[in-house]
Amino acid sequence: DQQVKQNSPSLSVQEGRISILNCDYTNSMFDYFLWYKKYPAEGPTFLISISSIKDKNEDGRFTVFLNKSAKHLSLHIVPSQPGDSAVYFCAASANSGNTPLVFGKGTRLSVIA
Amino acid sequence: GAVVSQHPSRVICKSGTSVKIECRSLDFQATTMFWYRQFPKQSLMLMATSNEGSKATYEQGVEKDKFLINHASLTLSTLTVTSAHPEDSSFYICSARGGVSNQPQHFGDGTRLSIL
Repeated sequence: DQQVKQNSPSLSVQEGRISILNCDYTNSMFDYFLWYKKYPAEGPTFLISISSIKDKNEDGRFTVFLNKSAKHLSLHIVPSQPGDSAVYFCAASANSGNTPLVFGKGTRLSVIA
Repeated sequence: GAVVSQHPSRVICKSGTSVKIECRSLDFQATTMFWYRQFPKQSLMLMATSNEGSKATYEQGVEKDKFLINHASLTLSTLTVTSAHPEDSSFYICSARGGVSNQPQHFGDGTRLSIL
């Protein structure tokens, strides 16, 4: 059973527009959520996180929204840039982030110039 | 930001060889380190969790005698793939985190292991 789901395997967005990547989870014990960006043959790079006591966290062009009742989170990138093209993984953890991360399958974002 | 260094980045070797992969946290003390494996077009699959000075906790289906993990210090963990076979060929990635709650894991750049 997949506890973290990214239902869109790919997304194409025009440069300058907003990219919205979605993630759903099933385990109500998850209380810490993260987004990572990954290029081929490299390890994931941490982007932004949010704990369950918040519903929004912003860092520059990246904003993560958390809807606990819907067990849904999203990553907004605005404005999107060609360098944002990569695979984005959603991850979740329990016990204030002290349990191992559970990853979604990733969404490949392509930002078109 | 936090940096995790993983070495080597690529290994090609004959079947039956044992391969050691190192994971170092360069600017923070890694209370916990994790080892993942990624198959093509799949997500990261957790293999084991290691805490400094104690035995690693392996996920179901991961052979602890096959994948030896040592976390001897707060900055270094090693994964040794013993007597590697072609089916062990994969992309192995380590990550590390400190002891504070609600802190992200930081990942190394991975090791591409190819067993001939």
